[in-house]
Amino acid sequence: GENVEQHPSTLSVQEGDSAVIKCTYSDSASNYFPWYKQELGKRPQLIIDIRSNVGEKKDQRIAVTLNKTAKHFSLHITETQPEDSAVYFCAATPLGQLTFGSGTQLTVLP
Amino acid sequence: GAVVSQHPSWVICKSGTSVKIECRSLDFQATTMFWYRQFPKQSLMLMATSNEGSKATYEQGVEKDKFLINHASLTLSTLTVTSAHPEDSSFYICSERGLYNEQFFGPGTRLTVL
Repeated sequence: GENVEQHPSTLSVQEGDSAVIKCTYSDSASNYFPWYKQELGKRPQLIIDIRSNVGEKKDQRIAVTLNKTAKHFSLHITETQPEDSAVYFCAATPLGQLTFGSGTQLTVLP
Repeated sequence: GAVVSQHPSWVICKSGTSVKIECRSLDFQATTMFWYRQFPKQSLMLMATSNEGSKATYEQGVEKDKFLINHASLTLSTLTVTSAHPEDSSFYICSERGLYNEQFFGPGTRLTVL
């Protein structure tokens, strides 16, 4: 089955700086790669996703890149704000059921 | 996106009792729903895939006789934790699959077994 690794596990940045979270996956058949933000006790919230026919996608301060050859994808958050502090999960799927990365606790310091 | 509700949002029960969690699709006919479990400070782990009208597909290591899944209609899937024990205490989240493999999550159920 699919295996997704995520790094780093914790990340602290100063407000206004950029944050980058990286994931690798194992199943070359995976074709959908969502990123979720989860606040304590709440459901994961989709913040951006990318499909295998696209190399990069951007939505305001958030961007995701995908390298199919290397089987890795990354989340980039620019101009970070304190409200960006949360746990972020990457995920991958070939058939619909998601395999999640282990999560990154992002802390944006004011 | 689709709207998914889950009930109850939290439940506390005694060891040995059974607990049923409902997951409803409010605006979409969900032929496939997923059940995840999340322990504190950990990631979401897929427990099983629930298919309307057929048996659920369980992930390796998940006991199908302990975690009973029923998906009798296109809008409702239920997860019953039978003979719950303290180690079953966790955050249980369902999701439904959209047309393009995206997933819409329910708000989750916090289960505490005393």
